[in-house]
Amino acid sequence: SQQGEEDPQALSIQEGENATMNCSYKTSINNLQWYRQNSGRGLVHLILIRSNEREKHSGRLRVTLDTSKKSSSLLITASRAADTASYFCATDGGTDKLIFGTGTRLQVFP
Amino acid sequence: SAVISQKPSRDICQRGTSLTIQCQVDSQVTMMFWYRQQPGQSLTLIATANQGSEATYESGFVIDKFPISRPNLTFSTLTVSNMSPEDSSIYLCSVEASWSGELFFGEGSRLTVL
Repeated sequence: SQQGEEDPQALSIQEGENATMNCSYKTSINNLQWYRQNSGRGLVHLILIRSNEREKHSGRLRVTLDTSKKSSSLLITASRAADTASYFCATDGGTDKLIFGTGTRLQVFP
Repeated sequence: SAVISQKPSRDICQRGTSLTIQCQVDSQVTMMFWYRQQPGQSLTLIATANQGSEATYESGFVIDKFPISRPNLTFSTLTVSNMSPEDSSIYLCSVEASWSGELFFGEGSRLTVL
């Protein structure tokens, strides 16, 4: 399967702490994306990083990409209870369709 | 950005019946994607729907089970045919932003098959 894997599968932290999620994938990519899903609803796009980029920031989000290791990480700094959600990485595998990773369920306690 | 409306948002269906999910986009898009998310799982791509041509199905998904229509550039339907409890999932419609490659998603249709 092309599907990427994420770890941890679940993460529980306190408000104010940082949360780090990792994604590993199997094929060459043009870009890697991170999405967020609240309670089984539609996904919301967070950030896209291209294969020639190593790091990208957006607000409290920091994404890194290591194409030699076929891995990416998403860091959420100063987490809030509202960050509680599932987070998915998605890769294009060099094609025009996205394949989603297994996801990380983040719980942020107030 | 694109705004996507899906209907129904949820439904409870009987085994052996079929249900059609509608997806409406507020702008014209070339490709629309249908995903399935089984309980507690990630998203799996069912098919890509292009206007004016037959949908392209991923491995493990067939047209007889999941027929798709794409009559114009803003609308698509996915039918889940002859449902069984294993079809209980969230079905999500999405479109791609041509300028960035990111996907916009509808809110999903949560189907429960009894």
